[in-house]
Amino acid sequence: AQSVTQLGSHVSVSEGALVLLRCNYSSSVPPYLFWYVQYPNQGLQLLLKYTTGATLVKGINGFEAEFKKSETSFHLTKPSAHMSDAAEYFCAVRDNTDKLIFGTGTRLQVFP
Amino acid sequence: KAGVTQTPRYLIKTRGQQVTLSCSPISGHRSVSWYQQTPGQGLQFLFEYFSETQRNKGNFPGRFSGRQFSNSRSEMNVSTLELGDSALYLCASSLGDRDPDTQYFGPGTRLTVL
Repeated sequence: AQSVTQLGSHVSVSEGALVLLRCNYSSSVPPYLFWYVQYPNQGLQLLLKYTTGATLVKGINGFEAEFKKSETSFHLTKPSAHMSDAAEYFCAVRDNTDKLIFGTGTRLQVFP
Repeated sequence: KAGVTQTPRYLIKTRGQQVTLSCSPISGHRSVSWYQQTPGQGLQFLFEYFSETQRNKGNFPGRFSGRQFSNSRSEMNVSTLELGDSALYLCASSLGDRDPDTQYFGPGTRLTVL
């Protein structure tokens, strides 16, 4: 069965600092992986996805993620945090019945 | 293109009542999935509809049901509401017939059960 583990329920960074949100997956088949962001009182917005091909995936708002099969990881990064990046971030894997399995989320705080 | 819309955005009900939530997918999308989000359980899959048929179902009691209409709009119904049903209910739409497929989420309906 597919699953996702997000390490760190809360991450705090200073504005301008590197953002690193960790995601490890478990999948018995080649995984399709996603990162979504949720702002307060809103739904989920797709940041980026990995399906096949290039392992470094670029998304919206300057975020990117690298698929590392050997490490079963799909960590999300952004070189320089902005105050507007403060939100909750969810990593997800598509299971073999096509539904999304979500991690527990990481709340990102950005300090001035 | 307009995004996924959900109505109503907020709802307050009392225990024992029933509720119907609505989701209009992105134009051209034929699949609609429903998720429940709570602080304790996180995001959990409820069910998916594709071309008016339930294609996938999560581990929720029979009080939770849904349907999809010919225009791909979907409704979710919860009967005999319990306090624990208080949650943000999210719907997501996708093309449904491509691999890989990507789900796009609506803003959610926040249900409070008193």
